[in-house]
Amino acid sequence: QLQLQESGSGLVKPSQTLSLTCAVSGGSISSRGYSWSWIRQPPGKGLEWIGYIFHSGSTYYNPSLKSRVTISVDRSKNQFSLKLSSVTAADTAVYYCASSIYSYYGMDVWGQGTTVTVSS
Amino acid sequence: DIQMTQSPSSVSASVGDRVTITCRASQGISSWLAWYQQKPGKAPKLLIFAASNLKSGVPSRFSGSGSETDFTLTISSLQPEDFATYYCQQANNFPWTFGQGTKVEVK
Repeated sequence: QLQLQESGSGLVKPSQTLSLTCAVSGGSISSRGYSWSWIRQPPGKGLEWIGYIFHSGSTYYNPSLKSRVTISVDRSKNQFSLKLSSVTAADTAVYYCASSIYSYYGMDVWGQGTTVTVSS
Repeated sequence: DIQMTQSPSSVSASVGDRVTITCRASQGISSWLAWYQQKPGKAPKLLIFAASNLKSGVPSRFSGSGSETDFTLTISSLQPEDFATYYCQQANNFPWTFGQGTKVEVK
């Protein structure tokens, strides 16, 4: 079955760029109809959807982060990535990747999450 | 953005209790609502999609209902493993948005 695994830098300095990757196993990132999302959760708080990339490569970003976010896909490695620029302490969170077999149905497979701390 | 408001923010309950959580959308979202369960230190887990459809493998004591702006998640008989935080999420409009969460605690 489909599995997702996040990896990337756990500590990022203020003003730098956060970079995370989500490796997809048990299925193809090019599978028709699938979308691949990033979601984050600050310590002790709720969930915020960052954005997604559709199987075709089209993207949609949360307007609250749009100017700083890039989500891309590497089909050769069967993975997708998140870059968030100009980070501040407010970007400290657990970051999750997740997949949707059909966007309207919610996110049915999640990675375990990776903690990113923004600190000098 | 569509605002999702859950109530209550927390509920104290005992094993065997019936628990109901509501989620209200700031505008109509048809039936494009999902419910998730999250335990401490773990990723959220999808329970219900399209308002009332139980994901495969999720116990039948969980059920969902509603449409447009008002939705409900019901746990018919609370089990020890159900103590967790529950989130609703609308998937009708971008950006997708979540409710603030409802924590189900031991009474």
